[in-house]
Amino acid sequence: EVQLVESGGGLVQPGGSLRLSCAASGFTFSSYSMNWVRQAPGKGLEWVSYISTTSTTIYYADSVKGRFTMSRDNAQNSLYLQMNSLRDEDTAVYYCARGLGYPGVPDPWGQGTMVTVSS
Amino acid sequence: QSVLTQPPSASGTPGQRVTISCSGSSSNIGSNTVNWYQQLPGTAPKLLIHNHNQRPSGVPDRFSGSKSGTSASLAISGLQSEDEADYYCAAWDDSLNGWVFGGGTKLTVL
Repeated sequence: EVQLVESGGGLVQPGGSLRLSCAASGFTFSSYSMNWVRQAPGKGLEWVSYISTTSTTIYYADSVKGRFTMSRDNAQNSLYLQMNSLRDEDTAVYYCARGLGYPGVPDPWGQGTMVTVSS
Repeated sequence: QSVLTQPPSASGTPGQRVTISCSGSSSNIGSNTVNWYQQLPGTAPKLLIHNHNQRPSGVPDRFSGSKSGTSASLAISGLQSEDEADYYCAAWDDSLNGWVFGGGTKLTVL
C-alpha cells in the first residue's frame, strides 16, 4: 500500500523558517516524481512545487519561488520542503503527493501537515 | 484567483445527474490532460478522473469526465449522499511550468 506521511509542520513567526518532510513507503520512491500542494484554511488547492525522479528538474509556483526549496533523498525514500522567509499567506495544510505518469499527476496524497505563520 | 474556473457550488437530489464545469486556456486544458479530485470533509484530495476520462481503480463508473477545447466537465450520475464533497479540476500549465487547479466546487446532495 502506498503511504505518504508528512511531518515538520507547526507554528512559526513571519520571516521564520520550517522544513517539511514526507516519508514514502509501499512503492519504488526513486521511480516517481513528487509534488507539494497546499491548502489554506477554508480555501482551495494550490500547487507549490514539483521534483523529477533524479532531482534534475524542479519547478516552483511563483508565490514561493526564491523562498522555498524542494529536495529528495531517494536512498531514504524521503521528500523535503525547506521554507524560508515565511509569510502569513503561507499558512496552510501542506500535502506531499506522488506524481503519476507525465507530467506527474499528484496521486495519491499524504494526510498533510499544518503550517501556521503568525506572530 | 484560480487559473482554472469552476462554479463555487452545485447541487442535486439523490439519483440525479450533475455536471461541474472547468474552464481554462490554451496553455493548460487546451494542451494537456484534465484531472479531477474529490475532497471529502477533513480528508486529503483523492484522484477521481485522470487523463480527461480515466477512472483509477475503485472509482465508480458513475463518475465521468470530458474535455472540449479549453474546457472540461465532470459528470456524476445516480447522485448519492456520499458524493457530497468538494471537487477540483487540475491541469499542467505549459506557460507556468506547474499544476494549476480550479477554485473548487462544493457539491451538496439535497
